[in-house]
Amino acid sequence: EVQLLESGGGLVQPGGSLRLSCEASGFTFSSYAMNWVRQAPEKGLEWVSGISGSGVSTFYADSVRGRFTISRDNSKNKVSLHMISLRVDDTATYYCAKDMSLGPRAPDSWGQGTLVTVSS
Amino acid sequence: YELTQPPSVSVSPGQPATITCSGDKLDTKYTSWYQQKPGQPPVVVIYEDTKRPSGIPERFSASNSGNAATLTISGTQATDEADYYCQTWDSNTGGVFGGGTKLTVL
Repeated sequence: EVQLLESGGGLVQPGGSLRLSCEASGFTFSSYAMNWVRQAPEKGLEWVSGISGSGVSTFYADSVRGRFTISRDNSKNKVSLHMISLRVDDTATYYCAKDMSLGPRAPDSWGQGTLVTVSS
Repeated sequence: YELTQPPSVSVSPGQPATITCSGDKLDTKYTSWYQQKPGQPPVVVIYEDTKRPSGIPERFSASNSGNAATLTISGTQATDEADYYCQTWDSNTGGVFGGGTKLTVL
């Protein structure tokens, strides 16, 4: 059974930084791309970032490019999202999502999410 | 790249529900559909345009043609009431979700 456990969310001031982590189990981690998807309160889903199974290729939404960095450690079955220069509109629940393929294409399993609140 | 969905769809129990998702030349890309109930993460109900994951009821089906993908729920049940999102991958934009459709079973 695929399990994804996010951590690292919390309250941060505008301009601050935060690192989210996701520990994965139940599948061959390096064989699948991983994604971060966020959902602002009472809003829809927004894809944020994806990383290939090898970690060589990374992808970002325009809204976060240059501020967020995705990385993975296949030896620890872990994917991270380092967020800097956070803005109020980054406030959202951030979901870690396993992709159905080696390169990002579509999530097929999701964690429960971790809440990031950017506020002064 | 953008995907457009109707904000809401209403259906009577036992009737078919149809949710559309439109995007430029969408049929040249794979589309997935996700169901999200309040307070829960999304669940994939359709992937690669028409495939249904194990555990998803057969009443869920989908198609993708031209500029639109369609999710159909035949014999809609009260438990199908949820938000539904279409999703695709664009080589320039990356992952893209539609705005979501709230399905109400009246």
